[in-house]
Amino acid sequence: DAGVTQSPTHLIKTRGQQVTLRCSPKSGHDTVSWYQQALGQGPQFIFQYYEEEERQRGNFPDRFSGHQFPNYSSELNVNALLLGDSALYLCASTPTGTSGGAFGPGTRLTVL
Amino acid sequence: GENVEQHPSTLSVQEGDSAVIKCTYSDSASNYFPWYKQELGKGPQLIIDIRSNVGEKKDQRIAVTLNKTAKHFSLHITETQPEDSAVYFCAASRGSNDYKLSFGAGTTVTVRA
Repeated sequence: DAGVTQSPTHLIKTRGQQVTLRCSPKSGHDTVSWYQQALGQGPQFIFQYYEEEERQRGNFPDRFSGHQFPNYSSELNVNALLLGDSALYLCASTPTGTSGGAFGPGTRLTVL
Repeated sequence: GENVEQHPSTLSVQEGDSAVIKCTYSDSASNYFPWYKQELGKGPQLIIDIRSNVGEKKDQRIAVTLNKTAKHFSLHITETQPEDSAVYFCAASRGSNDYKLSFGAGTTVTVRA
């Protein structure tokens, strides 16, 4: 049973560019959350998607947007990249109406 | 919003000894408290969790205790082994239409052989 998968593993971008990160949830999970983890810190909640809609959002600017597809997979888009966006981006999936969940290995984004 | 504080930030223990990590939270509506282990280059892995209607939960060498009145919860690892070396995060969530996890800053545990 495959767990949560994310792609790409690593990504290097320059300031001002746009990036798209992808996530496939664990089998049987229909809810996807995205977190940003800066070096040496705990993950920070970005947003959660359920039934193809953003259900909940953390304190992140509108430059961060997402999408969920009918097969429950999800994308995280970040526009106008800043140096401070450099971080590990984690995707977590859960069954409906539960907290916590399974995390993927993350995508390491470096903005130069 | 929820604020989770975690102590200590680093912990070094001799193999076979116990390790204890403590967290406090601010939101009295939080009712789900998971603990995650994160190894280098990997995503967080859920190791144990507890809900507000339970005071203690144990799974082999790992146990978690919760004091809702004081708003703190702790992770206890007994008989530590080198493979327990990792970063550990506590988190809190309200559940009930607010499922986001608020994480502590993490504890780097090193088990000395």
